[in-house]
Amino acid sequence: NAGVTQTPKFQVLKTGQSMTLQCAQDMNHEYMSWYRQDPGMGLRLIHYSVGAGITDQGEVPNGYNVSRSTTEDFPLRLLSAAPSQTSVYFCASNRGNNEQFFGPGTRLTVL
Amino acid sequence: AQSVTQPDIHITVSEGASLELRCNYSYGATPYLFWYVQSPGQGLQLLLKYFSGDTLVQGIKGFEAEFKRSQSSFNLRKPSVHWSDAAEYFCAVGDQGGKLSFGQGTELSVKP
Repeated sequence: NAGVTQTPKFQVLKTGQSMTLQCAQDMNHEYMSWYRQDPGMGLRLIHYSVGAGITDQGEVPNGYNVSRSTTEDFPLRLLSAAPSQTSVYFCASNRGNNEQFFGPGTRLTVL
Repeated sequence: AQSVTQPDIHITVSEGASLELRCNYSYGATPYLFWYVQSPGQGLQLLLKYFSGDTLVQGIKGFEAEFKRSQSSFNLRKPSVHWSDAAEYFCAVGDQGGKLSFGQGTELSVKP
């Protein structure tokens, strides 16, 4: 099993550009989440999903969209990037017992 | 709403010394509690977890944590620290909906 994979590893955007961070898992987990990590703030939940077709907002959802068309994939979309979205983004999956499996992260810089 | 506080931003210990990292949580029901470790530039690795039962839980790399409901705490301990333990440590609390709330993290430095 590859576990949770994320692409790209690094990305630089200009303000106003859009992009999609990809996340996939091969463990057949129903639950998937996106977090952002900023210095001194730990990880904060952006969006999460409890199954295909079902998503909900987390603590810091503004500026991000998600969809969950399959169990395996949970992409995160930035519609119009802002410097405040410079961060490290982690995708995670779990089988419903809250034991999260994290991907390696995507480091995003918005200029 | 659930929340986690890690009171110590940075801790330095000597190699071979004991370690305790503090974690206090706020949660209305029985919490799911976790400790994760993150090395620089890396993802998060689960050290240990508490769901129910025995309040002293053992994890990987020689770490353990004790759940104390009366103190709303879940402190992480290790009897003898190794230089390779230098990293950032995160405490987290989860609900049954699959969402985690993380503390701010404690950075551990190890002196030779």
